[in-house]
Amino acid sequence: QLQLQESGPGLVKPSETLSLTCTVSGDSISSSSYYWGWIRQPPGKGLEWTGSIYYSGSTYYNPSLKSRVTISVDTSKNQFSLKLSSVTAADTAVYYCARHSTVSSSSAFDMWGQGTMVTVSS
Amino acid sequence: EIVMTQSPATLSVSPGERATLSCRASQSVSSNLAWYQQKPGQAPRLLIYGASTRATGIPGRFSGSGSGTEFTLTISSLQSEDFAVYYCQQYSKWPLTFGQGTRLEIK
Repeated sequence: QLQLQESGPGLVKPSETLSLTCTVSGDSISSSSYYWGWIRQPPGKGLEWTGSIYYSGSTYYNPSLKSRVTISVDTSKNQFSLKLSSVTAADTAVYYCARHSTVSSSSAFDMWGQGTMVTVSS
Repeated sequence: EIVMTQSPATLSVSPGERATLSCRASQSVSSNLAWYQQKPGQAPRLLIYGASTRATGIPGRFSGSGSGTEFTLTISSLQSEDFAVYYCQQYSKWPLTFGQGTRLEIK
């Protein structure tokens, strides 16, 4: 049974870097069949894709965040990570990690983590 | 980027009735469209991908249709557990984009 679990600090100070990790269990993150992505949701608002990574390290980022976001993968730990620099209150959100297929016709997010709330505040 | 627009923002329907939710893309996404259901405090759940293919375990009362720029999610006979927020998402082109959501509430 595939599971994704986000972890990281729940509180980050303005101007600092938000760092989250998603641990994948029940499947190998090195599968050639999937991308691994981050999606965020500010309180009371909709979903925003942050970026995705392939096990080889190829990355795709939301242009609105591209200058501040870095996604990396650690295949030895079956994890992938998100770093978002220079955070402000606008980055306060629930952050989800999720999987989506590399097959273009079925590349929806089919498995999600439970989400982790990150608050940016001094 | 492709902008996804959902309508209406809120839909009030009685249990047992049919609900029809709409999603429009700013340019063609072919059939590369998904629908998700999200309940309070939960992660989104994939309902439909490929515009019309139900994900594993999704009841038959959920159906999707459309292609190109116009899409519809239909829930044929609303159950109490169906009242939630629904999002469409295109995966035709990077960046991946979501609609703003439709809140389905009990009438």
